[in-house]
Amino acid sequence: DVKVTQSSRYLVKRTGEKVFLECVQDMDHENMFWYRQDPGLGLRLIYFSYDVKMKEKGDIPEGYSVSREKKERFSLILESASTNQTSMYLCASSPPNLAGGPRYFGPGTRLTVT
Amino acid sequence: AQSVAQPEDQVNVAEGNPLTVKCTYSVSGNPYLFWYVQYPNRGLQFLLKYITGDNLVKGSYGFEAEFNKSQTSFHLKKPSALVSDSALYFCAVRDRTGKSTFGDGTTLTVKP
Repeated sequence: DVKVTQSSRYLVKRTGEKVFLECVQDMDHENMFWYRQDPGLGLRLIYFSYDVKMKEKGDIPEGYSVSREKKERFSLILESASTNQTSMYLCASSPPNLAGGPRYFGPGTRLTVT
Repeated sequence: AQSVAQPEDQVNVAEGNPLTVKCTYSVSGNPYLFWYVQYPNRGLQFLLKYITGDNLVKGSYGFEAEFNKSQTSFHLKKPSALVSDSALYFCAVRDRTGKSTFGDGTTLTVKP
């Protein structure tokens, strides 16, 4: 069974903290994505990666960075958390033959920054 | 830059009736189009995709979508709605750089 797992379902952090969100997929997929989901705004792409050590900026990369040291793991980093980064964060993966669109999503991490 | 519009925040249909969830897109070059569904308290799931070929694409749970190039639309359809189809639906388009853009979502409510 295909799985994308995220390290936490719920996370509460303070303003200014450095936050790590981890995503692991067990399907040997090349493509991995980080989105944030906010009511009325749909999903907005933060970063994506086509391979190990490769990363591309999405539509809203400001305030975020990513790391992909191993194929199965894609980490999202909030360098200095702010209240406007309170959101649901979704990780996704896909094989290269799906024309690059996200195929499998993780359950999400609901991050609250106070 | 590409964009996706889902003109209806909410769609209400009676069980057994056909349903349509609308999506229009804007992208340079050939579009790669997707539909996803998010059931309450569950993760986002892929429903179907259009890459090339037949304009009518069939997907999971009896859903299908019709690609119309001249109208730049990719509407999601189902001939007979079920109460269990009630969920949040997202349309997405991918451009040639690999970036996928999602619409704001449409909440479908199917009433018995």
